[in-house]
Amino acid sequence: QKEVEQNSGPLSVPEGAIASLNCTYSDRGSQSFFWYRQYSGKSPELIMFIYSNGDKEDGRFTAQLNKASQYVSLLIRDSQPSDSATYLCAVNRVRDTGRRALTFGSGTRLQVQP
Amino acid sequence: DAGVTQSPTHLIKTRGQQVTLRCSPKSGHDTVSWYQQALGQGPQFIFQYYEEEERQRGNFPDRFSGHQFPNYSSELNVNALLLGDSALYLCASRLGTATLNTEAFFGQGTRLTVV
Repeated sequence: QKEVEQNSGPLSVPEGAIASLNCTYSDRGSQSFFWYRQYSGKSPELIMFIYSNGDKEDGRFTAQLNKASQYVSLLIRDSQPSDSATYLCAVNRVRDTGRRALTFGSGTRLQVQP
Repeated sequence: DAGVTQSPTHLIKTRGQQVTLRCSPKSGHDTVSWYQQALGQGPQFIFQYYEEEERQRGNFPDRFSGHQFPNYSSELNVNALLLGDSALYLCASRLGTATLNTEAFFGQGTRLTVV
């Protein structure tokens, strides 16, 4: 079992719709959860992080965390063609400051159809 | 601020050769991490350097080694290259005492192709 699992996609949604991206993780000790966006041929870009159960909203993005079920999701409202990219989920075992390595999932490719 | 810079951007090597990749961290950052991203996969952690020492290491063989210099820049060395080492190599930097415990600053990556 992979430590962080994501459906590879592609997930195809029409412009203006809500895109829902999901991620599950195996390590119950995970404390910090991150979403990155990666355009083809580019480096990952941090877009959201969440530490506590529940929802966290930032603009068109909402991260949702359920530690009991060990999943984290990212909702993108009013999806735009420019949102077409691969979305990477990453987890960290610690929450405090410090130098800890991330564990990434393989990413979900999102296609937003005009 | 130039951000995290990596060199070279692309590289083609032959099996068995050795390669050195370079990374200059964002100004003010003291910690450098290296990741390998194979095609269609997420980044995999190789190792992390701060205070000029390797502090953490992922599940990579000893063929992968690194160094951090007093100015915080870093090198990744890979010996005896295999075809499977072909990947995008990402460098990330951070200030170790920052409250955000993740990689927020990645370089543009070095695309290594082993033939």
